[in-house]
Amino acid sequence: GQSLEQPSEVTAVEGAIVQINCTYQTSGFYGLSWYQQHDGGAPTFLSYNALDGLEETGRFSSFLSRSDSYGYLLLQELQMKDSASYFCAVLGNQGGKLIFGQGTELSVKP
Amino acid sequence: DTAVSQTPKYLVTQMGNDKSIKCEQNLGHDTMYWYKQDSKKFLKIMFSYNNKELIINETVPNRFSPKSPDKAHLNLHINSLELGDSAVYFCASSHRPDSEKLFFGSGTQLSVL
Repeated sequence: GQSLEQPSEVTAVEGAIVQINCTYQTSGFYGLSWYQQHDGGAPTFLSYNALDGLEETGRFSSFLSRSDSYGYLLLQELQMKDSASYFCAVLGNQGGKLIFGQGTELSVKP
Repeated sequence: DTAVSQTPKYLVTQMGNDKSIKCEQNLGHDTMYWYKQDSKKFLKIMFSYNNKELIINETVPNRFSPKSPDKAHLNLHINSLELGDSAVYFCASSHRPDSEKLFFGSGTQLSVL
């Protein structure tokens, strides 16, 4: 089966940097995705890592270590609008099934 | 134009009723999904269709029946609604079945009273 673990909530201040970790257990692994969901909104795709290393997209970066079954999402220069839930997700070996973690609620304070 | 649109946005109904949620995508994607998000925000896949064919059917009560009349549409019909069905249901689509990038609709908040 597959399971993902991420912290349930994180709090940070505007302008700061925050890292949201995700560890996973899966019998087949293709890559790790990250999604953002604002309250009342739809999950939206942020990034995907299939290979080890850091991928940067503006203020957001995502990292993967396949040997450690671990990844993280790094958010820099935090803004109030970054307050949302962040989900890591893995593609399992059962073809087309994206499995989500339970989400990390990020609160950005002034 | 909304890429993935689902209706209705809110659905309030009594136990035992039957209801449907409709979803349409204009992205030209081959694959569509239904996900259920519970009150703890846990997102769980229910069904997936690729080119109108069912490819994923999770352990979902058979009161839930998806239907894909064409690859741009995926509807969800729920019979004999129960209190535990209350959740937000998201439709999503992707280019192909094994995609890491899903495009989600805005969700249907179902409340069963």
